[in-house]
Amino acid sequence: NAGVMQNPRHLVRRRGQEARLRCSPMKGHSHVYWYRQLPEEGLKFMVYLQKENIIDESGMPKERFSAEFPKEGPSILRIQQVVRGDSAAYFCASSPGDVFGEQYFGPGTRLTVT
Amino acid sequence: QKEVEQNSGPLSVPEGAIASLNCTYSDRGSQSFFWYRQYSGKSPELIMSIYSNGDKEDGRFTAQLNKASQYVSLLIRDSQPSDSATYLCAVNNQAGTALIFGKGTTLSVSS
Repeated sequence: NAGVMQNPRHLVRRRGQEARLRCSPMKGHSHVYWYRQLPEEGLKFMVYLQKENIIDESGMPKERFSAEFPKEGPSILRIQQVVRGDSAAYFCASSPGDVFGEQYFGPGTRLTVT
Repeated sequence: QKEVEQNSGPLSVPEGAIASLNCTYSDRGSQSFFWYRQYSGKSPELIMSIYSNGDKEDGRFTAQLNKASQYVSLLIRDSQPSDSATYLCAVNNQAGTALIFGKGTTLSVSS
C-alpha cells in the first residue's frame, strides 16, 4: 500500500498522559502536514514539515504540542499532558513537494482523552 | 483571518440529479483550490483540484473557479447514493504551506 499511513488508528489516554501520533508519507513524498478535526468542526492546519525541518507551525498550540520529521522514520506529533479538549481526529497529509499542490490524507488517529 | 465559507447543508438531491456545491474564500492571493470528500468517520479524499479560472472536468465531477468573484464550485452529475458524504472545499494559503478548509457541505442523495 503506497498511501499515507498513520498509527495508531485509535488512541485512548488519560488526562495528563502523553500522546504520540505517527505518520509515514506516501512513497516519494517528502512533505508532511498535520491537521486536527474537532467534533462538529472543520479541519484545522497545525504544522507543515519537511525532513528535519519545521516549515510552518502557525497552527500549533503554543504549549504541549510538538512535531518532528526526522531524517529516518515517520513524522511524529507529540501531545504532552493531554486534556479532554485534545480529543479529536488527527490527520496527516503528504505531498510530493509542490507547495501549492495536492495533499493526500492518511486514515487519521482518533484520540480520546478520558 | 483567512476564511473559506460553505453552506453546511444538508443538500438533498434525488438519484440521477446534478448536485451543486459552492464555496467562497477571502484571500485573493490563493492560488490552488481543492475539493475533498469525507465519509462519516473517514479521512478526506481528494476528488478535484483546480488552479486557473474556468471549468475542469473529471468523470462525473466538474470544478469551476472564478478568482475575480473568489468563488469555487463543484458539480456532481448523475448523483448516486454513494456520493452521500460531506464535501470539503480547501484553499492554499498565500505561502502554500497550509490548506484552509471550509466546514463542509453535507450531501444526501436519495434513491
